[in-house]
Order: sequence, then C-alpha cells, then structure tokens
Amino acid sequence: DAKTTQPPSMDCAEGRAANLPCNHSTISGNEYVYWYRQIHSQGPQYIIHGLKNNETNEMASLIITEDRKSSTLILPHATLRDTAVYYCIVPPVSNSGYALNFGKGTSLLVTP
Amino acid sequence: GAGVSQSPSNKVTEKGKDVELRCDPISGHTALYWYRQSLGQGLEFLIYFQGNSAPDKSGLPSDRFSAERTGGSVSTLTIQRTQQEDSAVYLCASSLRLLPSTDTQYFGPGTRLTVL
Repeated sequence: DAKTTQPPSMDCAEGRAANLPCNHSTISGNEYVYWYRQIHSQGPQYIIHGLKNNETNEMASLIITEDRKSSTLILPHATLRDTAVYYCIVPPVSNSGYALNFGKGTSLLVTP
Repeated sequence: GAGVSQSPSNKVTEKGKDVELRCDPISGHTALYWYRQSLGQGLEFLIYFQGNSAPDKSGLPSDRFSAERTGGSVSTLTIQRTQQEDSAVYLCASSLRLLPSTDTQYFGPGTRLTVL
C-alpha cells in the first residue's frame, strides 16, 4: 500500500471549514485516494475518493495536488457531529479484495 | 437504501463459549470483509470473501476463528472457545468490486463482543 501521513489531531470551530491534509508521496499512477471517518462507537463511514481530479459530494470536497503526492479533505461548514477520526487511505490496485489499512488518522475536534 | 447490517449489536459471553456473529451486506455486493477493532486500537483485517469463497483468510488470528458466506450474501463469523482477548468490536464491510482500482467498502455498525 502507498503509505499515507496525516497530522494526529486538529481543531476546528463550528461553522468553519475543516481542511484535513494527507501526504501520499509514493502513490502509483492508478491508485485512488480514499477518505473515511469513524465517529466514536460507530463503524467507519466512507466519505469520498478521487484519482487526480478534485471531487465534491454532499459530505466533502477532495483536493488532490497535480503531482498527486498529497491531498486535502475539506468539510466546508464543520458541525459538532463532524468530530471524528478521519482516515486517508490509498488502497492497492488488486484483482482481488484487499484489507483497508486505516492507520492512525487525524482526530478532528469541532468546537462550539 | 439499506446499508450493511450486523447482529447482534452487543454480545456478552462467558470464556470458553462459542459465538456466532452475522453480517448482511448491501444487496448485490459481491465482496464482503470482516475486521475487528479492540478498544482504542485500529482496525484489524480478519477475512475477505468474493462471492462464497474466501481467497484471503490471512487475518484470522487462530483456528478458533472461522467464517462462511452462503448464497453470496449473508456471512457468519464464528469464534469457538472464546477468550477474553477476543473482546472487541467486530465490523463487517461490503463492496461491489466492479473494478480493481475502485472498491469502496461500506461498513456496518459492528457487533461489540465482550468475553467475561
């Protein structure tokens, strides 16, 4: 798997944009960047994924640099319910299934 | 639509007993994964199914653990002679496996297993 590096923790004020960075300098050309989050006592939740173009859905935006060595997950208007551990994952391209390597992620605390 | 469901949500058992955990994947999803998460720890991969077959059982921690999937749908994870170190949240995920490069896994809420 391409190794990812994330800051261990971040704070964000409610209503502000939360920008969560991820470095993945060893990513291969056909590997996607995935973001998941895990709210306390819940199962992991898929957020978004992308290859090279920026992506947006109802939950978040994903900005991937042109060289694809890093990306940023943006929660445009963070709420208290967005407090969670956020995981940036680059799964291998495989003809069979693979285990997601969640690593330690970034613990995001959204404060009132 | 319906997501991945797991039952029971909580299971308390005595050391030495057998337990069965059930996972209902999203309809049409061909791939199914089991993970576990011990308190304060990351996710640990256990086993992966493609259809009814399990090409990767590498994560099963011991021969007390087994899993099966029937009809390409429901899966059960069985733990025999449970030990206290088996206490964890057991998570199931499923995916469509349309392409090797994109395989979004959707997780269930988990089963919290406590072995006394």
